[in-house]
Amino acid sequence: AQSVSQHNHHVILSEAASLELGCNYSYGGTVNLFWYVQYPGQHLQLLLKYFSGDPLVKGIKGFEAEFIKSKFSFNLRKPSVQWSDTAEYFCAVNPDTGRRALTFGSGTRLQVQP
Amino acid sequence: DGGITQSPKYLFRKEGQNVTLSCEQNLNHDAMYWYRQDPGQGLRLIYYSQIVNDFQKGDIAEGYSVSREKKESFPLTVTSAQKNPTAFYLCASSKDTDSNQPQHFGDGTRLSIL
Repeated sequence: AQSVSQHNHHVILSEAASLELGCNYSYGGTVNLFWYVQYPGQHLQLLLKYFSGDPLVKGIKGFEAEFIKSKFSFNLRKPSVQWSDTAEYFCAVNPDTGRRALTFGSGTRLQVQP
Repeated sequence: DGGITQSPKYLFRKEGQNVTLSCEQNLNHDAMYWYRQDPGQGLRLIYYSQIVNDFQKGDIAEGYSVSREKKESFPLTVTSAQKNPTAFYLCASSKDTDSNQPQHFGDGTRLSIL
């Protein structure tokens, strides 16, 4: 079965700092990759997704992620964070075959200090 | 506006009692999902349904049951067999079961044991 690892459990940054959140997955076949965000008191929302084409994908609010197949990674980046980016971020994968349901990582809590 | 409605927002269960969490969607989505969210563990899949009158166990189905009698509805019953039911429960849906389809989430139900 596939699994997803997010190694950063809690990240604290100052405003304008750059962000990179790690995501690694274990699955040998073709996967579709997602980043979701959960702002305080709100429901989970899609930040960006990758399923084919350019491995560098751009999402909402200035976020981007790069799929590196050889490293089984899909790291999330943002050049300059804002206080409003404080949230919990989840990486998820959905393989092209077998069970058609997302497997989530354990999440990374990002705290941006003004 | 289309979306997913989960009710109630907060639910309390007595020992030995079954409780049912409601999930309704008006997005005309075929697939629906139930996740459990615990601190530091991300989201874990309980059950999912790809189409009406069909559902599949996820990773932590023991102590839970579901039904899918209507496209719009996917209720989750937490039975007395679930020994640690205190958690945040999230319902989601997607257009179909293509693995590149993003999931849309409800606001969740927080279940606590009295």
